[in-house]
Amino acid sequence: QITLKESGPTLVKPTQTLTLTCTFSGFSRSTSGVGVGWIRQPPGKALEWLALIYWDDDKRYRPSLKSRLTITKDTSKHQVVLTMTNMDPEDTATYYCAHRRSDRSWNYWGQGTLVTVSS
Amino acid sequence: QSVLTQPPSVSGAPGQRVTISCTGSSSNIGAGYDVHWYQQLPGTAPKLLIYGNSNRPSGVPDRFSGSKSGTSASLAISGLQAEDEADYYCQSYDSSLSGSVFGGGTKLTVL
Repeated sequence: QITLKESGPTLVKPTQTLTLTCTFSGFSRSTSGVGVGWIRQPPGKALEWLALIYWDDDKRYRPSLKSRLTITKDTSKHQVVLTMTNMDPEDTATYYCAHRRSDRSWNYWGQGTLVTVSS
Repeated sequence: QSVLTQPPSVSGAPGQRVTISCTGSSSNIGAGYDVHWYQQLPGTAPKLLIYGNSNRPSGVPDRFSGSKSGTSASLAISGLQAEDEADYYCQSYDSSLSGSVFGGGTKLTVL
């Protein structure tokens, strides 16, 4: 069974860098087109895809946030890490990590972690 | 503003059938990319409800069905139950973004 769990700070100050870790289990080998990504949801608003890392280490970022995002993985630790620089109150959201299948659907999600950006 | 357009809300009485539309463009749904649907119950993570336009993952009741045509897709829920009250999101791939795009979400109220 595939599980994912997010961890990281619940509160960050404006201009700080956010680092979130996704620890996963239940999958290690993978086929082409499969990866782990991050999706966020501001309170009361819609889902927004942020970044994706494939098993071969290829990476994709949301164009409007690309300059602020970095996604990496440590397969031996079963972890995917997302960093977002220059945090702003508008980045306040629940951040989810999720498993993406080759058909581009997100079939397993973590429980999410609420990050508040405030001084 | 979301790339995929959904109605903000729909409602129906128990036992009725409702549909939720999802409209995209030539760079996503219209380009032939699959549409997937998610159900998000209050305070929980989204759950994959329909994948590949019309396929249900194991455990999803056959009351839920999906379809796609042109630049749009639809989710139909028949035999409405109180437990279906949730937010529903469509998702596809967009070649302009080179990534996933979601609809703005539709809140289903069971009257």
